[in-house]
Amino acid sequence: NAGVTQTPKFQVLKTGQSMTLQCAQDMNHNSMYWYRQDPGMGLRLIYYSASEGTTDKGEVPNGYNVSRLNKREFSLRLESAAPSQTSVYFCASSGDYSNQPQHFGDGTRLSIL
Amino acid sequence: GENVEQHPSTLSVQEGDSAVIKCTYSDSASNYFPWYKQELGKGPQLIIDIRSNVGEKKDQRIAVTLNKTAKHFSLHITETQPEDSAVYFCAASIRDMRFGAGTRLTVKP
Repeated sequence: NAGVTQTPKFQVLKTGQSMTLQCAQDMNHNSMYWYRQDPGMGLRLIYYSASEGTTDKGEVPNGYNVSRLNKREFSLRLESAAPSQTSVYFCASSGDYSNQPQHFGDGTRLSIL
Repeated sequence: GENVEQHPSTLSVQEGDSAVIKCTYSDSASNYFPWYKQELGKGPQLIIDIRSNVGEKKDQRIAVTLNKTAKHFSLHITETQPEDSAVYFCAASIRDMRFGAGTRLTVKP
């Protein structure tokens, strides 16, 4: 019973490198989300996909792109990594968008040097 | 957009005591208020939630209260145990979910 699975768990990048964070859920949820978590700032929404085939910007989308590959998978891409993007990234899913419990993965810890 | 403030940022209690964490929100249209517990190295896990048509909800040692007029809601943990030690987040939602900054709870044995 995996729930939400994120890969990789840890990654170190150099400034300017690109990378894609992967997320998959096995709960048949319609909606998926990407958050970043920084000390003292809680969780901030980067992008979300309310349903398969749609994506929308959240609170802090600059420097990121997303792809909803299918109903199960939602990836987050950093095209040119910057030190300000050092953070812990969480993927979440919910049955439907808006006012539904979200289920989180265990995060990807990303450091950009 | 919605703004959620959470207090205190850290809380230390003796095992068996109660713990209370408070949150305020800015948008009166918010209608869903979940609470999450995050253990070290893990993602947040939902522990309890409440909707705007309910004033209080309990689940064993955990309760949440909502005051829509004052736009604040609180998490109450009774008979705390060392395994309750974690970071707790409140959130408020109309469409997007906005999170508080978190409370680090330490329960001393």
